[in-house]
Amino acid sequence: GAVVSQHPSWVICKSGTSVKIECRSLDFQATTMFWYRQFPKQSLMLMATSNEGSKATYEQGVEKDKFLINHASLTLSTLTVTSAHPEDSSFYICSARVEAVNSPLHFGNGTRLTVT
Amino acid sequence: QKEVEQNSGPLSVPEGAIASLNCTYSDRGSQSFFWYRQYSGKSPELIMFIYSNGDKEDGRFTAQLNKASQYVSLLIRDSQPSDSATYLCAVRLTNAGKSTFGDGTTLTVKP
Repeated sequence: GAVVSQHPSWVICKSGTSVKIECRSLDFQATTMFWYRQFPKQSLMLMATSNEGSKATYEQGVEKDKFLINHASLTLSTLTVTSAHPEDSSFYICSARVEAVNSPLHFGNGTRLTVT
Repeated sequence: QKEVEQNSGPLSVPEGAIASLNCTYSDRGSQSFFWYRQYSGKSPELIMFIYSNGDKEDGRFTAQLNKASQYVSLLIRDSQPSDSATYLCAVRLTNAGKSTFGDGTTLTVKP
């Protein structure tokens, strides 16, 4: 149980274009999902907390107008990287948890974004 | 001081040995503690979680938590080459809150 599906697995786009990444909880409902970014040989960096039916909460230093998050249902959150630039190239990973005490995060397989 | 600190690696152990991974955290009110394994190029996968003082065992893995010392560890017995990965410690302050990750410790198990 507690499967998180993320799509696409990888994407290559041209500078200036936008890319949408989907994150779905397949067998549970998630009122909260988390989006992380990871650069090579670095740890996970939390970008934002996605809240179903309300605005996302962004971490300090993360541009909310550049990284648009929509959590339209209890099983789907999307991250859109707008006007992507080469420095946005990274590994983006979503995660979600079952709404239970001390339940762990479950991660999607990640999306490797390359901006040319 | 980082919120979650892990012993700097890389850590190398021979096959069959015990690998010991350590993590300290700064917020004494932290409630839940997690260990994740991340293979190169992949997303993290959960190994164990613990929230009570003491030991918790699952197969070859044992998590140890000492809230008084703000310390959590992961022991891997009978290490296998397939255990070679980066191990991430994560700490959560409240049940519904965000998780804070350490920088990870890279483990190499040599055949």
